[in-house]
Amino acid sequence: NAGVTQTPKFQVLKTGQSMTLQCAQDMNHEYMSWYRQDPGMGLRLIHYSVGAGITDQGEVPNGYNVSRSTTEDFPLRLLSAAPSQTSVYFCASSSTHRVGSYNSPLHFGNGTRLTVT
Amino acid sequence: RKEVEQDPGPFNVPEGATVAFNCTYSNSASQSFFWYRQDCRKEPKLLMSVYSSGNEDGRFTAQLNRASQYISLLIRDSKLSDSATYLCVVNMTPGGSYIPTFGRGTSLIVHP
Repeated sequence: NAGVTQTPKFQVLKTGQSMTLQCAQDMNHEYMSWYRQDPGMGLRLIHYSVGAGITDQGEVPNGYNVSRSTTEDFPLRLLSAAPSQTSVYFCASSSTHRVGSYNSPLHFGNGTRLTVT
Repeated sequence: RKEVEQDPGPFNVPEGATVAFNCTYSNSASQSFFWYRQDCRKEPKLLMSVYSSGNEDGRFTAQLNRASQYISLLIRDSKLSDSATYLCVVNMTPGGSYIPTFGRGTSLIVHP
C-alpha cells in the first residue's frame, strides 16, 4: 500500500551542493511530476513525464533536471543548490493524462522539505 | 494572468455555516477538474472530482460552469475539521497531454 514514496523527508544543503530527490510509485502510473510549494505561491510545476523515456518542462524548470528511465521512478536533481530553491517539494503521479482518456486525479508523496543555506 | 485563479481568503466562518469557493480557469479547452484539500503544508489530498452535471459527496457539492469557465465548491454544515486550504486543479492541454494546473488555494478557518 505504498503509493508514492519520496525521500528524503528533510534535507539541508549548502549553496552549490548537488543532490537528488527520489520519487517512486508502485501503481504503474504513466504520469509523474514534481512540484514545489512556496508560501503564497501555491504549487508550481517543475518537470513532468507522461511515460518512461519522456520528460518535459513545467513552469519553473531552471536549476532542476529529471529523467524517467523506468515507469516507477522519477528522480529530481538539483545541479547546484541555491537559497531560492529552499522549498517544499512534492512528487505526484496519476494513471493517465492522454487527450481523450479519463484523467485520473493525482496521488502525492509526503513531500521533501529542503533548506539551502 | 494566472491560468487558474482562486480567492486566497481566508474565509473565517463559524461551525455549522455554509461556505462556497469559486475557481476560474483561462483555458476553455480544459477537461478534468478537481478539488484537493491541503492541511498545514502536508501533501494535497483529493477531495472530489468535478463532473459536468455537478456532484455531491456528503456535505460537499461541486459544480462546473463551462460557459463562464469556473468551478465551485460548497461546504454545508462546516466542521472545525474542515479548516484547511482548498486547491482547485484544472487539467489543461499544452500539447497532447492534459497537465494539472493548480490554483494558489483558498484558506478556510472554521471557528467554534
